[in-house]
Amino acid sequence: KQEVTQIPAALSVPEGENLVLNCSFTDSAIYNLQWFRQDPGKGLTSLLLIQSSQREQTSGRLNASLDKSSGRSTLYIAASQPGDSATYLCAVRPLSGANNLFFGTGTRLTVIP
Amino acid sequence: NAGVTQTPKFQVLKTGQSMTLQCAQDMNHEYMSWYRQDPGMGLRLIHYSVGAGITDQGEVPNGYNVSRSTTEDFPLRLLSAAPSQTSVYFCASRSGRETQYFGPGTRLLVL
Repeated sequence: KQEVTQIPAALSVPEGENLVLNCSFTDSAIYNLQWFRQDPGKGLTSLLLIQSSQREQTSGRLNASLDKSSGRSTLYIAASQPGDSATYLCAVRPLSGANNLFFGTGTRLTVIP
Repeated sequence: NAGVTQTPKFQVLKTGQSMTLQCAQDMNHEYMSWYRQDPGMGLRLIHYSVGAGITDQGEVPNGYNVSRSTTEDFPLRLLSAAPSQTSVYFCASRSGRETQYFGPGTRLLVL
């Protein structure tokens, strides 16, 4: 069974700092990987989707990379802002059983003004 | 375009009661699914549907039923609520194997 791990569980940084969130998965047979943002008491908002054939995706200040062979993905946030404070979740869609997304438990990010 | 909507936002049940969590999407997505989110655990798939009239079990289906009579709606039924079903429930939809869109969630407390 696919296992997804996100370390650290929580992270605090001062405003303006660049930061990296990590996601690792145990089975490299994936179709794609998706990064989500979750605000307290809210649903999940999709940030970036990386197909298994891609190495990275960018959206504004966010850049997600994927190294499928090593089972790792990173989410890079440039020039962090207090509004970036949220929990960030990564999820992988396997090649087999592709109707399921396997989620990590998330990294709770706090950006201090 | 409302995306994925869920009702109610919050519900308290007594053990043994039944209820239906509603989910609707207006994006004409063929795939819909229900997840539950518990502290310290990632979201886990309960049931999913690949189109109207077609449903299947996910990772944690016990105690839940679903049906898909239309493309837009995918209700989740709790047959006899148990305290272990206290959780936050998310409905999601997608087209193909692309971006998954989530609803705002339903917080359920079973006493």
